[in-house]
Amino acid sequence: NAGVTQTPKFQVLKTGQSMTLQCAQDMNHEYMSWYRQDPGMGLRLIHYSVGAGITDQGEVPNGYNVSRSTTEDFPLRLLSAAPSQTSVYFCASRRRGGSNYGYTFGSGTRLTVV
Amino acid sequence: QQPVQSPQAVILREGEDAVINCSSSKALYSVHWYRQKHGEAPVFLMILLKGGEQKGHEKISASFNEKKQQSSLYLTASQLSYSGTYFCGTEKTSYDKVIFGPGTSLSVIP
Repeated sequence: NAGVTQTPKFQVLKTGQSMTLQCAQDMNHEYMSWYRQDPGMGLRLIHYSVGAGITDQGEVPNGYNVSRSTTEDFPLRLLSAAPSQTSVYFCASRRRGGSNYGYTFGSGTRLTVV
Repeated sequence: QQPVQSPQAVILREGEDAVINCSSSKALYSVHWYRQKHGEAPVFLMILLKGGEQKGHEKISASFNEKKQQSSLYLTASQLSYSGTYFCGTEKTSYDKVIFGPGTSLSVIP
């Protein structure tokens, strides 16, 4: 199993450009989430999904869109990039329910907006 | 609402013990614990569900006090490999989002 795969690993955007961060998991996990992590900061939730066709906002959703058309994929779209969106973005997935199912994180996408 | 973690940072010598605390003002369904090493993704350690259970993972264990909405992570006989930032994440219900605390930086020195 590849686990959670994020692409690209690095990206530089100009202010106002749009792009999609890709996230795919091959573990048949129901839950998927996007977090951003700024230097020296914790993980802030952008959007999350509890299954295909179901998404909801997290703590910092402004400027981002998501969709979940399949169980495997959960892309994050930046609508009009701003320097404040410079961050490391992590996608994570986990199984529903139970006391042993924590998140598996992807390796992250390091995004710089200039 | 983001959980509160304490301390913000701790430095240990090899073999010493540490406790990291996580608390919430809201009733919780579960508490997650993760460790993140510099430049890497967070790695899942354990999850505790309401019911006050205590779980262990090698020399790292945790407890969850449902009445106080507090969880503690216990690291015993610390090793150099324990260095990193520890995050707790909380859920209010079983189908809810996981919100992470600001993290506790742990440094183990020889």
